[in-house]
Amino acid sequence: QKEVEQDPGPLSVPEGAIVSLNCTYSNSAFQYFMWYRQYSRKGPELLMYTYSSGNKEDGRFTAQVDKSSKYISLFIRDSQPSDSATYLCAMSAINQGGKLIFGQGTELSVKP
Amino acid sequence: EADIYQTPRYLVIGTGKKITLECSQTMGHDKMYWYQQDPGMELHLIHYSYGVNSTEKGDLSSESTVSRIRTEHFPLTLESARPSHTSQYLCASSDPVGRETQYFGPGTRLLVL
Repeated sequence: QKEVEQDPGPLSVPEGAIVSLNCTYSNSAFQYFMWYRQYSRKGPELLMYTYSSGNKEDGRFTAQVDKSSKYISLFIRDSQPSDSATYLCAMSAINQGGKLIFGQGTELSVKP
Repeated sequence: EADIYQTPRYLVIGTGKKITLECSQTMGHDKMYWYQQDPGMELHLIHYSYGVNSTEKGDLSSESTVSRIRTEHFPLTLESARPSHTSQYLCASSDPVGRETQYFGPGTRLLVL
């Protein structure tokens, strides 16, 4: 069983929709949680970072971490065609030397 | 945008050739990483380094090797390329002070014929 599970999609939504992307994980030691966005033929870019539990908001993006359920989410409000990309969740435990465990990535397409 | 560079961006090469994928960062980060990513699949860590003269193998077995003789430079070498090495290779670095976030280069797409 993979340490991090992410629905690969693809997910297609109309412009303006609210998008919910999710990951589940099995390692209760994970404390650092990240979301990366990867455009086609590009490297991943850091989108959101959360330490431990809670919510974090940045513009149209909200990241949520529920450690009791081992579940993290990324919400995108008022989605735009420019949000079309693959979204990767990643996480790490303290004293893991900075090594990240990535989900498979969810491919999102926002149609105008 | 992170200052991490990879060359070449695309490489098509024949079986048996030796290749070196270059990765450089100008942020002074001690930690650097190499990942392999196939289409629709998660990133797999193949090598990492915590500083000069430090290299470790990652979670995914790889026939490649790495070196770290300068902080800013972390090249990956394949002594004899095979079609099974066809993939995208991503280099990353991270700030050692907290957060554990990694910053990625644009990647090298390798095709071995």
